[in-house]
Amino acid sequence: GDSVTQMEGPVTLSEEAFLTINCTYTATGYPSLFWYVQYPGEGLQLLLKATKADDKGSNKGFEATYRKETTSFHLEKGSVQVSDSAVYFCALSESGGSNYKLTFGKGTLLTVNP
Amino acid sequence: GEEVAQTPKHLVRGEGQKAKLYCAPIKGHSYVFWYQQVLKNEFKFLISFQNENVFDETGMPKERFSAKCLPNSPCSLEIQATKLEDSAVYFCASSRRRDKNTEAFFGQGTRLTVV
Repeated sequence: GDSVTQMEGPVTLSEEAFLTINCTYTATGYPSLFWYVQYPGEGLQLLLKATKADDKGSNKGFEATYRKETTSFHLEKGSVQVSDSAVYFCALSESGGSNYKLTFGKGTLLTVNP
Repeated sequence: GEEVAQTPKHLVRGEGQKAKLYCAPIKGHSYVFWYQQVLKNEFKFLISFQNENVFDETGMPKERFSAKCLPNSPCSLEIQATKLEDSAVYFCASSRRRDKNTEAFFGQGTRLTVV
């Protein structure tokens, strides 16, 4: 079945540091890939997505590129802010047959210190 | 509505009691999903609906858990005879159509605490 593996963290950075959160996936078909963010006490918000190989998703300074050859979708940001502190989830979605749901990684807690 | 609305925000039940959670999907969205988020952030898929029909229930525990999406009513997730391990945050999400590229919108969740 489908699965997503992401670095579990926690990750602690200073403001303006470079961020990478690794994510790799296993899927039977051709999934779309997502990064969701969960701020403390809140639900999930879509951060960015990519729907096919070599697509780059980007939003709020975050980027991730869909790499089919390495089955990866690593999240990067050049300069993090305190307000980026949250839990980040990598996820995939397929829609073939009766399979239509998000499969999530276990989440990575990011703490950014001033 | 323009957002997925879940009620209540918090629910406390004694072991063995029933718990019922509600979700109003975004108007016009045909698919509703329930996920359970347990202690270490892990999301577990429970069930999905296409309108009022169960689409995928492969994640639902066979006993004690049931769910419905009836016309003109919020969707519901019910747990009969709750156990301590049911303590979690339950998220509902909805999407407009069955398309892997389509974003799923999540509610704020219901935190269930079983004591």
